[in-house]
Amino acid sequence: NAGVTQTPKFQVLKTGQSMTLQCAQDMNHNSMYWYRQDPGMGLRLIYYSASEGTTDKGEVPNGYNVSRLNKREFSLRLESAAPSQTSVYFCASSDRVDSYEKLFFGSGTQLSVL
Amino acid sequence: GESVGLHLPTLSVQEGDNSIINCAYSNSASDYFIWYKQESGKGPQFIIDIRSNMDKRQGQRVTVLLNKTVKHLSLQIAATQPGDSAVYFCAENGGATNKLIFGTGTLLAVQP
Repeated sequence: NAGVTQTPKFQVLKTGQSMTLQCAQDMNHNSMYWYRQDPGMGLRLIYYSASEGTTDKGEVPNGYNVSRLNKREFSLRLESAAPSQTSVYFCASSDRVDSYEKLFFGSGTQLSVL
Repeated sequence: GESVGLHLPTLSVQEGDNSIINCAYSNSASDYFIWYKQESGKGPQFIIDIRSNMDKRQGQRVTVLLNKTVKHLSLQIAATQPGDSAVYFCAENGGATNKLIFGTGTLLAVQP
C-alpha cells in the first residue's frame, strides 16, 4: 500500500501564478485533509472533506480552493499564489470512528512563492 | 482559545537513555490524543494514541501518559535510538470543528 501520495514534492511559483497540488489515498478512507506547516507553528488545517462530495473550510482557507474528485483524490488549488503561501503542504486521510480520528499523512509538498 | 503546547522545544538525550516529551492541552472537552513523529523532509507518522478513559497506553518502546487533572500528556521513549531523532507532535481532538489540533512540536536529538 502506498498510503497517501502527494505530487509534486517541490514547486517554485512566481507571485500571481496558479497551481494545483494533487493527493490520492488508497486506504479507502472517507475523510481527507489539507494542512500547511510553517516554521515554529503547528500544522494548520486549510480545508477538509468529511466524505466524497463534501468540503469544508478549516482554520486558514483564504487563498485556496479544493476539489474532492472522488473517494481517493483531494486536490488543493492556489488561484493566485502569494509569498505568504510559501509553506510545506500536507495531505492526510482518515477513517473517522465516532470522534476518534487517526490521520495518515503524505510526504508533503514544499512550495516557494517568489 | 484552545491550544496544545509543548514545554520543551528541543530535547537532547544520550543513546540508550529514556526520553520524555511533554505536552499541555487546554481544552477539557478533548477526549482523544495522538502523538506523531516527523522526520526531516517527511510527513508526520502516527506513533500512539490514547482516549480520555485511559491514563496510560503502551506500544513498542513507547508509552503515553495522560493526566486529565492537569491537562498534561507525555510520550516516553525507552532506550532511545538514533533513529528516534525527529520532531514529535501531540494533537488533541477538541475544538469547535472537532478536528485535530496540533502542537508546535519538540525536536528530539539523540546523541551517540
